[in-house]
Amino acid sequence: AQTVTQSQPEMSVQEAETVTLSCTYDTSESDYYLFWYKQPPSRQMILVIRQEAYKQQNATENRFSVNFQKAAKSFSLKISDSQLGDAAMYFCAYFIQGGSEKLVFGKGTKLTVNP
Amino acid sequence: EPEVTQTPSHQVTQMGQEVILRCVPISNHLYFYWYRQILGQKVEFLVSFYNNEISEKSEIFDDQFSVERPDGSNFTLKIRSTKLEDSAMYFCASSFGLAETQYFGPGTRLLVL
Repeated sequence: AQTVTQSQPEMSVQEAETVTLSCTYDTSESDYYLFWYKQPPSRQMILVIRQEAYKQQNATENRFSVNFQKAAKSFSLKISDSQLGDAAMYFCAYFIQGGSEKLVFGKGTKLTVNP
Repeated sequence: EPEVTQTPSHQVTQMGQEVILRCVPISNHLYFYWYRQILGQKVEFLVSFYNNEISEKSEIFDDQFSVERPDGSNFTLKIRSTKLEDSAMYFCASSFGLAETQYFGPGTRLLVL
């Protein structure tokens, strides 16, 4: 079964500090794509970052970076210099290349940013 | 920047009524998806659609659900006879191609009474 596990239901960080959100997933496929989506209180799903499984280099997008460990099936998100606007639910997700490419989501981590 | 739009933003309906949720995907995208998120739970895949056909559907997507691309811009999800448990946030998403990022709309919050 395709599953995504986010072991931290809630996390908090001080403004300007760094926080890491954990994600592990389970698939027997070798070609897949991993994502972090952000869902603020408005509930819109916003793409944060994407990682192709065939790439060894970790993706980076401004203050957001990932630590992708393919063998361990781990895909954590690091947020540097946290800002109040980063407060949201963060969902880890992936899809398998080929077929319908449906996204499989984790349950999410609620991030609070303290001023 | 192009974005996926959805209407209505909120819908309240009575159990047993039909609802149609509308989405306008990004204009050059070819793959379309519906997901739902029951309050407090994770986002779940419902259906994917390409080339005017369903390419995959989940167990949730039973005979009460249907999708349609009635013209070149809209993508709709119809729930024929709503149940209480259909209350959820429904997200439309689209992507340009396979192995491309899916971009989500703002969602339609459906409440079935």
